[in-house]
Amino acid sequence: DTGVSQDPRHKITKRGQNVTFRCDPISEHNRLYWYRQTLGQGPEFLTYFQNEAQLEKSRLLSDRFSAERPKGSFSTLEIQRTEQGDSAMYLCASSSDIRNTEAFFGQGTRLTVV
Amino acid sequence: GQQLNQSPQSMFIQEGEDVSMNCTSSSIFNTWLWYKQDPGEGPVLLIALYKAGELTSNGRLTAQFGITRKDSFLNISASIPSDVGIYFCAGRPMNSGYSTLTFGKGTMLLVSP
Repeated sequence: DTGVSQDPRHKITKRGQNVTFRCDPISEHNRLYWYRQTLGQGPEFLTYFQNEAQLEKSRLLSDRFSAERPKGSFSTLEIQRTEQGDSAMYLCASSSDIRNTEAFFGQGTRLTVV
Repeated sequence: GQQLNQSPQSMFIQEGEDVSMNCTSSSIFNTWLWYKQDPGEGPVLLIALYKAGELTSNGRLTAQFGITRKDSFLNISASIPSDVGIYFCAGRPMNSGYSTLTFGKGTMLLVSP
């Protein structure tokens, strides 16, 4: 069990560019979550997948954000036309409803928009 | 949306001291979790609580699910330097479904050797 893996760990991009992050959950986990964390704050929920279905989206997930989990395994989070306010740590977590586990978090992707 | 009030915001203590932090909500929660986050890393689950009044320990850590279902506390006994980090409470409101966790703003703990 290698844990939740996120790539890249750090991303610096210019305002207006598109960025894509990848999350590989723990292999037997069917639930996958994306959270965003800004400095001095706790993680804030963005979206949730059960297998390949996106079941819940936060109001924080604007039209510029899109997440996919096409085969129910890894997930991608894309941000289009990045803004400086998008600078944050993007955390992925996974859990299993079969094993009734709580969420295990990855190490996050730190995005800086300049 | 739901908000969790976590206090204190930060603590600076001497090694060996006991620490207590707490979290309150304006509504009833059916799950309370405590996570620790080191700089540049994701949160790591420390303790999970599912029943009102439940008291659970994990080594030197003890957490309780408040009777009112609107609060939880975390105690750390005999602190050591590696306890340094940010501690987050997180909860799942009643009738929210299994998916969503609401996090507090964190308590930063600094331990002086």
